[in-house]
Amino acid sequence: GAVVSQHPSRVICKSGTSVKIECRSLDFQATTMFWYRQFPKQSLMLMATSNEGSKATYEQGVEKDKFLINHASLTLSTLTVTSAHPEDSSFYICSARAPGTGGYEQYFGPGTRLTVT
Amino acid sequence: AQSVTQLDSQVPVFEEAPVELRCNYSSSVSVYLFWYVQYPNQGLQLLLKYLSGSTLVKGINGFEAEFNKSQTSFHLRKPSVHISDTAEYFCAVTSSSGTYKYIFGTGTRLKVLA
Repeated sequence: GAVVSQHPSRVICKSGTSVKIECRSLDFQATTMFWYRQFPKQSLMLMATSNEGSKATYEQGVEKDKFLINHASLTLSTLTVTSAHPEDSSFYICSARAPGTGGYEQYFGPGTRLTVT
Repeated sequence: AQSVTQLDSQVPVFEEAPVELRCNYSSSVSVYLFWYVQYPNQGLQLLLKYLSGSTLVKGINGFEAEFNKSQTSFHLRKPSVHISDTAEYFCAVTSSSGTYKYIFGTGTRLKVLA
C-alpha cells in the first residue's frame, strides 16, 4: 500500500511552453501533498505544500506564478511549470502525507525529470 | 526552525564491511527523524523512522539507526553492506508540532566496492 505515482516520468519541452506534472496517491487519500525540486547530486528542496481544496503554500523564493499547484481532489495534485526556461530543468518529486501515524510520514513519488530546451 | 547536517558527502566501503552514515540535526522543538534511500533517477524510499518509543530503530534491508537526543544525532548503520546498497541516503527531520514539512540533509552517497 501507500503508493504515490507521478506522470510523466520524463518530459522534454521547448523554452516558453508550459508543462504539467501529475502526482497521485493510488491507494489512500492525501489531504496534503508536497512538491520538491532536486538539482543534480543535491538534496531535495521543498517548493510548496499543497492542501486539498485550498491554495498551495509556497516556500520563500519559489515563484508561485511560475510553479502553479492545484490539489483538486484527495488523490491528485498537479504542478504546472509555466513559461518554462532551461533553468527550470530539474528533477521534481512529489510526496503525500500519510494517513494515520499522526501524518508525519510522507510517501514519495518516483519523480519527474523535466528538461527544457 | 530545524536543520540537518550530513557531514559525509561520500562514503566508500568494501562489500560485507559495516557502515555508519552520520546525521545531526538542530531544532528548538521536538522532532521526528527519517532516513530515505534514493537510487539513480528514482524517488525516495523510506528506510526507517523515529517517531517515539525505543531509540534504536530497525528498518528495511538490514539498516538500523539510533536516536540520540543529547547529541542530536540519528546515525544510520548497517553491519554488512552489499553492492546493491550503493545509493544516495538522505536524513530528514520534521517538527512534532505539526507543520509536517521535511527538512532534508544534503545526502550521503554510499558506494560499496567489490
